[in-house]
Amino acid sequence: TQLLEQSPQFLSIQEGENLTVYCNSSSVFSSLQWYRQEPGEGPVLLVTVVTGGEVKKLKRLTFQFGDARKDSSLHITAAQPGDTGLYLCAGVSLSGGSNYKLTFGKGTLLTVNP
Amino acid sequence: EAQVTQNPRYLITVTGKKLTVTCSQNMNHEYMSWYRQDPGLGLRQIYYSMNVEVTDKGDVPEGYKVSRKEKRNFPLILESPSPNQTSLYFCASSLGLPRSTDTQYFGPGTRLTVL
Repeated sequence: TQLLEQSPQFLSIQEGENLTVYCNSSSVFSSLQWYRQEPGEGPVLLVTVVTGGEVKKLKRLTFQFGDARKDSSLHITAAQPGDTGLYLCAGVSLSGGSNYKLTFGKGTLLTVNP
Repeated sequence: EAQVTQNPRYLITVTGKKLTVTCSQNMNHEYMSWYRQDPGLGLRQIYYSMNVEVTDKGDVPEGYKVSRKEKRNFPLILESPSPNQTSLYFCASSLGLPRSTDTQYFGPGTRLTVL
């Protein structure tokens, strides 16, 4: 069974601070996705990283896929209260031939205080 | 508007009373799946379907059934619910298998409590 470990589990910071969330595994993934989930809603895809070493930027959010495609990080610059939410990473891997499987980490609950 | 809808959004029921949670998508997606989300355990896949009449077990299928008779609908059936199935359930769909380039869209969730 492939596992994705996310850290930290909880993070409470002040507006304007920077933060990094980590997603680690001993398994190799075809790609890795990051989602954000707000209370009472389903997860929403933020980004997919595909190539080892790839870096993608989405405004103040920077996503990186590890060279070996086993880990990823999400860095937020100058966090704002609107960034508050549960951040989930999910690894895409081949399962049983041609089937693809999505394995989720347990999430990082981020609170940005004004 | 492209979306995944689930009904009901909230449900309180008793042990053993059969229930169905409906899921529908209007994006002509082939791949649909069900997840449950529990504190400390994250999102775990229950069942998935790659197309009409094609379904397969995910990581935690025990106690659940699904059917895919139409492309747009993927109901989740609990024949005899038990308290350990109390959870937040999400339906999701994507154009194809969750490959690198396919976005998976999630429904708003169904909060189920089994007494």
